[in-house]
Amino acid sequence: AQSVTQPDIHITVSEGASLELRCNYSYGATPYLFWYVQSPGQGLQLLLKYFSGDTLVQGIKGFEAEFKRSQSSFNLRKPSVHWSDAAEYFCAVNRGGTYKYIFGTGTRLKVLA
Amino acid sequence: DGGITQSPKYLFRKEGQNVTLSCEQNLNHDAMYWYRQDPGQGLRLIYYSQIVNDFQKGDIAEGYSVSREKKESFPLTVTSAQKNPTAFYLCASSIAFGLEYEQYFGPGTRLTVT
Repeated sequence: AQSVTQPDIHITVSEGASLELRCNYSYGATPYLFWYVQSPGQGLQLLLKYFSGDTLVQGIKGFEAEFKRSQSSFNLRKPSVHWSDAAEYFCAVNRGGTYKYIFGTGTRLKVLA
Repeated sequence: DGGITQSPKYLFRKEGQNVTLSCEQNLNHDAMYWYRQDPGQGLRLIYYSQIVNDFQKGDIAEGYSVSREKKESFPLTVTSAQKNPTAFYLCASSIAFGLEYEQYFGPGTRLTVT
């Protein structure tokens, strides 16, 4: 069965440090890949998406993600984290031929001042 | 401003009562979705609607019902048959029903059933 794994439940970084959030998917072909962010008690906001083409995708708020087919990964990165980036981050996959978005279980980011 | 509104933000009900969660969008989107979010489990799809007067069950539809009489509105009813209804419920919409269309999410409704 298709799945999305976010191996880190919690990550803590200092403000100004770099960030990488991991996402691995299990799917035979290249799926459509997304990263969403959720602030506490709020809905989700799309950060970026990958469908095809350049494997390095730029998103909003200074985030980027790289699709690596060989590793079935779509990791989210930011070179310098701001305190306002503290939130929960979800990786999602939309597999070909269906309506279904499969969400990972999320990674909660804490930023130290 | 265009967006998705969900009301109320917090909802409390007694066990055995049905409750309806509101979802309205003014984005002129065709497709709408309901998700349930529980801690440590990500989002799970309850129902989705591709177009007015049409809706389909998602992964966890048991104990829930929906209607789509207007393009802008997609209310979710949590019935007394839902065994564990306490959760955070998120409504979403997309411009059309398709793989490449991103979903826009509302702010959510936290339902507590005691």
